[in-house]
Amino acid sequence: NAGVTQTPKFQVLKTGQSMTLQCAQDMNHEYMSWYRQDPGMGLRLIHYSVGAGITDQGEVPNGYNVSRSTTEDFPLRLLSAAPSQTSVYFCASSYSGYRSYNEQFFGPGTRLTVL
Amino acid sequence: DAKTTQPNSMESNEEEPVHLPCNHSTISGTDYIHWYRQLPSQGPEYVIHGLTSNVNNRMASLAIAEDRKSSTLILHRATLRDAAVYYCILFSGYALNFGKGTSLLVTP
Repeated sequence: NAGVTQTPKFQVLKTGQSMTLQCAQDMNHEYMSWYRQDPGMGLRLIHYSVGAGITDQGEVPNGYNVSRSTTEDFPLRLLSAAPSQTSVYFCASSYSGYRSYNEQFFGPGTRLTVL
Repeated sequence: DAKTTQPNSMESNEEEPVHLPCNHSTISGTDYIHWYRQLPSQGPEYVIHGLTSNVNNRMASLAIAEDRKSSTLILHRATLRDAAVYYCILFSGYALNFGKGTSLLVTP
């Protein structure tokens, strides 16, 4: 199993540009999520999905869109990039999410810089 | 959401045991206690979790106080590869609520 994969590893954008961060998992996990980590801080939840066709907002959803058309993929779209979105983005998945004792598996992250 | 309190940093010598404390006085009865760690420039990695009883796995042990208001992650023999930020998290709803964690320094 490849686990959770994320592309690209690094990205530089100009203010106002849009882009999609890709996330895929091959473990047939129901639950997938996106976090962002700012320097010296813990991770904060952006959006999550409990299954194909179902998504919901996390703690910091503004400026981001998600969709979940397949079990395997959970892309994160930046609609109009802003310098405040400069961060490291992590995708995670687990067998199930709600009040779960299941461990979550994290991808290697995408380091995004918005100029 | 229930919160956790951890020391900002701790230091250990290589091959010695490490006890990482966590206070969670507002824990609810259904909250699982999870520990994750994050090595430099990597995504978080699951370490261990528990509800009421102490737990052991190949990576670590988790000791949970009888009143569940605190817990301790135990690394039995620290190695240089264990240098990381360790997060104590109460699993509530769909989100892992990461705080700032404890930065563990392991010295040879």
